[in-house]
Amino acid sequence: GESVGLHLPTLSVQEGDNSIINCAYSNSASDYFIWYKQESGKGPQFIIDIRSNMDKRQGQRVTVLLNKTVKHLSLQIAATQPGDSAVYFCAEKGTGRRALTFGSGTRLQVQP
Amino acid sequence: DTGVSQNPRHKITKRGQNVTFRCDPISEHNRLYWYRQTLGQGPEFLTYFQNEAQLEKSRLLSDRFSAERPKGSFSTLEIQRTEQGDSAMYLCANDRVAGELFFGEGSRLTVL
Repeated sequence: GESVGLHLPTLSVQEGDNSIINCAYSNSASDYFIWYKQESGKGPQFIIDIRSNMDKRQGQRVTVLLNKTVKHLSLQIAATQPGDSAVYFCAEKGTGRRALTFGSGTRLQVQP
Repeated sequence: DTGVSQNPRHKITKRGQNVTFRCDPISEHNRLYWYRQTLGQGPEFLTYFQNEAQLEKSRLLSDRFSAERPKGSFSTLEIQRTEQGDSAMYLCANDRVAGELFFGEGSRLTVL
């Protein structure tokens, strides 16, 4: 069945380092991908998205890379800050579907 | 602040009681979604409205769950005869185009 999963449940980085959070998906029909950040007790917050006709998209300090060949998505955070500490979810949506399917999340811990 | 408001933020109830959650979406966004999130997991899709029409329901939405969106504005999610397994965060989300979801802060349900 369709699934979106993450490779690492917890990622610990030093402040100032770059972070890379990975995500694998199984649905070949997925055409839209999105990363969310969720802080404790809060709802998911949009970070960046990418459509399947692209392989890279950059935002402010964040970059999303999409490799459709191996069904892999990554989120890169440059110069990670303590405020980046949160759980990060990837999500995907396939053509004709309205709802996003989420993975189980990676917790990012930024050490000062 | 995404503009999606949910209440109550927290609800503690005894098993067997009914509970209702309300979502007030961003006014110009016509698609509204309910998700459920348990600890350590990503949000799981429950149901979706376009304006007042409920267009899709997940198999997770048992007969004890009902959602409404009268007049295509606010939405309610009611759980009847609550069970301990219903304990979760219930998230409401909105989008205007088929993509980015704006989530509320969620309503956390604890069933004793």
